[in-house]
Amino acid sequence: DGGITQSPKYLFRKEGQNVTLSCEQNLNHDAMYWYRQDPGQGLRLIYYSQIVNDFQKGDIAEGYSVSREKKESFPLTVTSAQKNPTAFYLCASSWGKLETQYFGPGTRLLVL
Amino acid sequence: AQTVTQSQPEMSVQEAETVTLSCTYDTSESDYYLFWYKQPPSRQMILVIRQEAYKQQNATENRFSVNFQKAAKSFSLKISDSQLGDAAMYFCAYRIFGNEKLTFGTGTRLTIIP
Repeated sequence: DGGITQSPKYLFRKEGQNVTLSCEQNLNHDAMYWYRQDPGQGLRLIYYSQIVNDFQKGDIAEGYSVSREKKESFPLTVTSAQKNPTAFYLCASSWGKLETQYFGPGTRLLVL
Repeated sequence: AQTVTQSQPEMSVQEAETVTLSCTYDTSESDYYLFWYKQPPSRQMILVIRQEAYKQQNATENRFSVNFQKAAKSFSLKISDSQLGDAAMYFCAYRIFGNEKLTFGTGTRLTIIP
């Protein structure tokens, strides 16, 4: 089945720890995106990538980092610099930057 | 800056009835796209319908249709013959033509009453 997978479903972070959220797609999409969702709010863009080895900051990139070494993978690292990381994180992909974005099932990040 | 406003935090509808969710947006652009996404309890965002601003005809997808009023910057979603599986958060989103960024509203929680 073609789709977007995110792992883990739940992730716990200790203070001062970096954690990495996985996003994989087998749709052969060129563009990939990371969004953050907080309660009562819509989604906000963290980072996006249009092609391999290239990515751009979104609206709330501070405290996050990404890599795009493979077309199908776009992992997001939540660093210790992100002081309020508790949120629901959604990964999306599209054929190109102008095409409709399709979303993965999300990862819930909680701070211990 | 572009903004998307969903003024109804919660809505409810009787099963098999019709409900309309409101969305307004603020932009100075003339070419853009509008979307409705559904987020069920599983929390995965699912595309419901898409509208190109240059098209005058309102988009439809089975029981889902939109009322796109470009001059009024309004983009409402109508769900006909509501079903229990329609219960979800619904998000309106906007994207400028040629730009990757999706701007989302804060969502409307739709409850279906059996």
